[in-house]
Amino acid sequence: DGGITQSPKYLFRKEGQNVTLSCEQNLNHDAMYWYRQDPGQGLRLIYYSQIVNDFQKGDIAEGYSVSREKKESFPLTVTSAQKNPTAFYLCASSADRRAGTEAFFGQGTRLTVV
Amino acid sequence: RKEVEQDPGPFNVPEGATVAFNCTYSNSASQSFFWYRQDCRKEPKLLMSVYSSGNEDGRFTAQLNRASQYISLLIRDSKLSDSATYLCVVTPNSGNTPLVFGKGTRLSVIA
Repeated sequence: DGGITQSPKYLFRKEGQNVTLSCEQNLNHDAMYWYRQDPGQGLRLIYYSQIVNDFQKGDIAEGYSVSREKKESFPLTVTSAQKNPTAFYLCASSADRRAGTEAFFGQGTRLTVV
Repeated sequence: RKEVEQDPGPFNVPEGATVAFNCTYSNSASQSFFWYRQDCRKEPKLLMSVYSSGNEDGRFTAQLNRASQYISLLIRDSKLSDSATYLCVVTPNSGNTPLVFGKGTRLSVIA
């Protein structure tokens, strides 16, 4: 089945540790995105990538890093510099870089810092 | 003014009711508009795109008013399964910019 897969679904991290969230898509989409959602809040853009080996900061990039070495993969690292990392992280992809193309989401990763 | 604004609700309506949500956007150059649905603790899923001429999909109708910079979603004959959060989504301009999401409007359909 074509789709976008995030793993793991739930992740617990100790304070001070870096952790990497996986996002893979087999839709042949050019663009991929990472959003963060806090309880009762909307989605906030962390990073996005519109082509392999290129990515841009979103609204809340501090404390996060990404890579886009392959078209299918866009992992997000939550570093120890991120002060409030507990949240629901959503990865999305869209067919191309043009405006007007809807995004499709993975099932999300719930990160909890303990 | 925020880029995309929605009434957070909740809208509590009985089954069979008609309910409408509005969403306003600040950037007059915005190009594309969507409604997404998000169930509790799940990912958002595309409900429908919003075209300049408006569009309808079964019980759902979406309208765009560029002059007043808002989009609307009308749900007729509400079902219990319509209970969710509805997210208004806008692409700011014709460049390579990602979607901007509103915070969503919560709908509860009550038996």
